[in-house]
Amino acid sequence: EAQVTQNPRYLITVTGKKLTVTCSQNMNHEYMSWYRQDPGLGLRQIYYSMNVEVTDKGDVPEGYKVSRKEKRNFPLILESPSPNQTSLYFCASSLYLAGELFFGEGSRLTVL
Amino acid sequence: DQQVKQNSPSLSVQEGRISILNCDYTNSMFDYFLWYKKYPAEGPTFLISISSIKDKNEDGRFTVFLNKSAKHLSLHIVPSQPGDSAVYFCAASARNQGGKLIFGQGTELSVKP
Repeated sequence: EAQVTQNPRYLITVTGKKLTVTCSQNMNHEYMSWYRQDPGLGLRQIYYSMNVEVTDKGDVPEGYKVSRKEKRNFPLILESPSPNQTSLYFCASSLYLAGELFFGEGSRLTVL
Repeated sequence: DQQVKQNSPSLSVQEGRISILNCDYTNSMFDYFLWYKKYPAEGPTFLISISSIKDKNEDGRFTVFLNKSAKHLSLHIVPSQPGDSAVYFCAASARNQGGKLIFGQGTELSVKP
């Protein structure tokens, strides 16, 4: 089954404690991206990757890092989480940059 | 600068009636438009799309209309069903320029029995 898998689905953490949200897709997609969803703001792009070792900032990259060492994986790293990073995060992939996006089920992160 | 706007945060419709969700955009270079549907505790899923060379695309109960001169698109659901209750996001891209998808804020549709 074609899917995008992200973990953890739910996480409560404290300010400053580094965390990683993993994302994996099994569709051999070139393009992967991270979004955050906040009330009234819709889906805002954090980072994206056009291919292995190629990543670029989206609209709200501050406080986040990513890496793309393998085509299927695109982890999101919060080196020092802060309360304003409390949000619902989605990983997505597509065949190409403006193609139909396939989303993971979301990771709800709370930073205390 | 919000390039894709959904000005109605919520919409309530009676079962069997038509639901109309609206989306406006500002970038005249956008040439590809999509609608995504999102249920609680799930990721958004693709619903329907339209290219700028068309003004209408239909898929079952769902129809998307594009008015390029007004920079406006709408999603019609006829007839609406309770299972259509979800958040709907419109998205747009300048595909011919290799542009990425830009999403609107979303509209929460509630279809009441």
